[in-house]
Amino acid sequence: AQSVTQPDIHITVSEGASLELRCNYSYGATPYLFWYVQSPGQGLQLLLKYFSGDTLVQGIKGFEAEFKRSQSSFNLRKPSVHWSDAAEYFCAVGTYLNTNAGKSTFGDGTTLTVKP
Amino acid sequence: KAGVTQTPRYLIKTRGQQVTLSCSPISGHRSVSWYQQTPGQGLQFLFEYFSETQRNKGNFPGRFSGRQFSNSRSEMNVSTLELGDSALYLCASSVGQGAATNYGYTFGSGTRLTVV
Repeated sequence: AQSVTQPDIHITVSEGASLELRCNYSYGATPYLFWYVQSPGQGLQLLLKYFSGDTLVQGIKGFEAEFKRSQSSFNLRKPSVHWSDAAEYFCAVGTYLNTNAGKSTFGDGTTLTVKP
Repeated sequence: KAGVTQTPRYLIKTRGQQVTLSCSPISGHRSVSWYQQTPGQGLQFLFEYFSETQRNKGNFPGRFSGRQFSNSRSEMNVSTLELGDSALYLCASSVGQGAATNYGYTFGSGTRLTVV
């Protein structure tokens, strides 16, 4: 079965510093991978997605992520964090095999705190 | 372009009651999926509807049910509420069946259900 692991429950960075959020996945084929962001009391917003091609993908709000097949990872990065980036971030794998086709499996999330 | 609309935003119910939550997807999106989000279990897939048919179902008891109308609007129902059903229920739409795998979801802001 597919799974997603986000090793860091909580990360704190200073405003203006760089950010990397880790994501590891397990899936029986080439994965479709996503990063979502959730602000308190809100739904999730899609930041970026990968399913083929260039392993470095660009998303909204200045985020990027790199797919590394050898490490089963899809880490999210941002060169300079803004206070408004404080939120919870979810990595997800979209399944298309067998009976689970069409559903996404989400990691447990990483909460980002931004220090002034 | 209107987003995914979920109503109501907040709901308080008593154990044993039933509840119905509503979701209107983005215009043109024909697939609606439902997720339950809790601090302990994270985001868990409930079901996906497409063309008024349930296409995929998560591991939830039969007390959780849903339906989709011809205009793609969806409702989910939880009968005989338990304290453990307290959660944020998120609706997500995508272009077509299984399209969330390729394109990701657009989420609503959720319905916060509290069971007392």
